[in-house]
Amino acid sequence: DSGVTQTPKHLITATGQRVTLRCSPRSGDLSVYWYQQSLDQGLQFLIQYYNGEERAKGNILERFSAQQFPDLHSELNLSSLELGDSALYFCASSPSGRGNYGYTFGSGTRLTVV
Amino acid sequence: ELKVEQNPLFLSMQEGKNYTIYCNYSTTSDRLYWYRQDPGKSLESLFVLLSNGAVKQEGRLMASLDTKARLSTLHITAAVHDLSATYFCAVDNSGGGADGLTFGKGTHLIIQP
Repeated sequence: DSGVTQTPKHLITATGQRVTLRCSPRSGDLSVYWYQQSLDQGLQFLIQYYNGEERAKGNILERFSAQQFPDLHSELNLSSLELGDSALYFCASSPSGRGNYGYTFGSGTRLTVV
Repeated sequence: ELKVEQNPLFLSMQEGKNYTIYCNYSTTSDRLYWYRQDPGKSLESLFVLLSNGAVKQEGRLMASLDTKARLSTLHITAAVHDLSATYFCAVDNSGGGADGLTFGKGTHLIIQP
């Protein structure tokens, strides 16, 4: 157990639907990062939050959004889902906004859009 | 745009042999990370390399970083079957961790008895 908790582990949904993925960072970590892993795109950085504020954006689609709550857990919202959104979504956390101590990844949420 | 290239992307080797995975990146950065991923599983942190010349070793794995050459290597010594996995290198986009990580495509390593 890495200390980063992601729920649900698996999600199957239909095109056009909306889903929410949840992440609880490791205790004491203030930064949360979301990544998407797919066969064709590999691992891609989506977005980072630090202590409740958006810190950086990567290759995140406009249909996707995220937030970090006061208790530091984060949610990634995916809407108007398309078949191509099927992927493994990882959350990672770090103590600060810098990578001095590395990044700890959760076990991921496997999203299947049918 | 930061690009991270790993090679080889696929490696089949025998137990007991040595081999090296290479990771090149395109822009200045002094922070590089190596991860291991088993099929369908999460990313396990192997090494955090934070400065030029950094060398770290854990068991049969050793990683090094040359920031001037923009090159990191992951060396496997006397490979064993349990090391079969996909290995990723990743680089901090800004050098400060504020923009997430850019990952290589991964090296799929199979170690055969």
